[in-house]
Amino acid sequence: GAVVSQHPSWVICKSGTSVKIECRSLDFQATTMFWYRQFPKQSLMLMATSNEGSKATYEQGVEKDKFLINHASLTLSTLTVTSAHPEDSSFYICSARVDRGLTNEKLFFGSGTQLSVL
Amino acid sequence: DAKTTQPPSMDCAEGRAANLPCNHSTISGNEYVYWYRQIHSQGPQYIIHGLKNNETNEMASLIITEDRKSSTLILPHATLRDTAVYYCIVRVANTGNQFYFGTGTSLTVIP
Repeated sequence: GAVVSQHPSWVICKSGTSVKIECRSLDFQATTMFWYRQFPKQSLMLMATSNEGSKATYEQGVEKDKFLINHASLTLSTLTVTSAHPEDSSFYICSARVDRGLTNEKLFFGSGTQLSVL
Repeated sequence: DAKTTQPPSMDCAEGRAANLPCNHSTISGNEYVYWYRQIHSQGPQYIIHGLKNNETNEMASLIITEDRKSSTLILPHATLRDTAVYYCIVRVANTGNQFYFGTGTSLTVIP
């Protein structure tokens, strides 16, 4: 399967600082990446769709100025949590879409980033 | 939005088959059924997907009913490492459409 690398695995930051999370597709090019967040014992919630070379599309209720997404290349998307606050503490997961034919589209996920804002 | 219904939890004895059901009564003709699983504090892992025919790979089998309104993921010989949350997702493939996750089934494999 395709490999998606996400860094860092965990980060602790002070309230008011910004945190950048990187998501890389290692052995394929990903024109589309997705960013999710997950709170304890809950399901994954889609935050935004990131398309290479264009602006991200955010889900309803997700602040685009709070969660900055950049997808400048076919192998890298970044999520920056700006002016983080304790309520932003969550597990953030990126994924990349792999399309290898009409019936073989799949989504591969990074290992996630646990963000803790003090 | 999630279009699937799954039981919140299930248990399975180690070595036995685990059968995880999913209802998707409003599925459209061009929507595929995908299964992913998430082991605690990790990113989800792709398991299998299908349109209308039954599918099998090295991880599992996917059985889709003839009317496509429900499906079952089968782990033929469950191991302790199969303990995870299993998500059933329906979506139109090959369109760049989003993958929306429902609440999933928490499977516990018991020794």
